[in-house]
Amino acid sequence: DAKTTQPNSMESNEEEPVHLPCNHSTISGTDYIHWYRQLPSQGPEYVIHGLTSNVNNRMASLAIAEDRKSSTLILHRATLRDAAVYYCILRDLMGSARQLTFGSGTQLTVLP
Amino acid sequence: NAGVMQNPRHLVRRRGQEARLRCSPMKGHSHVYWYRQLPEEGLKFMVYLQKENIIDESGMPKERFSAEFPKEGPSILRIQQVVRGDSAAYFCASSPDQQGAYTFGSGTRLTVV
Repeated sequence: DAKTTQPNSMESNEEEPVHLPCNHSTISGTDYIHWYRQLPSQGPEYVIHGLTSNVNNRMASLAIAEDRKSSTLILHRATLRDAAVYYCILRDLMGSARQLTFGSGTQLTVLP
Repeated sequence: NAGVMQNPRHLVRRRGQEARLRCSPMKGHSHVYWYRQLPEEGLKFMVYLQKENIIDESGMPKERFSAEFPKEGPSILRIQQVVRGDSAAYFCASSPDQQGAYTFGSGTRLTVV
């Protein structure tokens, strides 16, 4: 499975944008980029996913580099409730992908 | 439309007892996944099931652990003869198909004393 690399931790101020990076230099053509987050004492939660084009939804935006070797999850206006571990995961949905494989993620701290 | 329901939320077992963890997937979801999260560690895949079938159990310990997803009723993760090292949060997720996004439950926190 293609691997992702994320910073262990990041800090942001409340009500400011947050850019969470993810490197995936060995991504294959059929790998989708998925983001999940895990709030304290809760199960993970789907955030967003994309293949080549940038994606927006009510929670966040996903910016994908032209060569697809990196991507950035953008929270437009961080709130205290966004403090969580953010996981960047590659999923080959065209192959025999069976399950999500979680790495160590980025611990986001939001400062008031 | 209720999400993924896991129960109990907290479970305390003495060493050597059995633990049964239940997971009801979202309505319309026929794919169920179990993950374990040890204290201060990441989420580790355990098993993937569809109705009445185990699709992938590559993450399950070979002994004492079993899982099922019967035609009727919730998916069950069963741990026999629990040991202290089984203390962890166990999360269940479901998806509508193999490619769909996962919806996770709130987990069962197992403590073995």
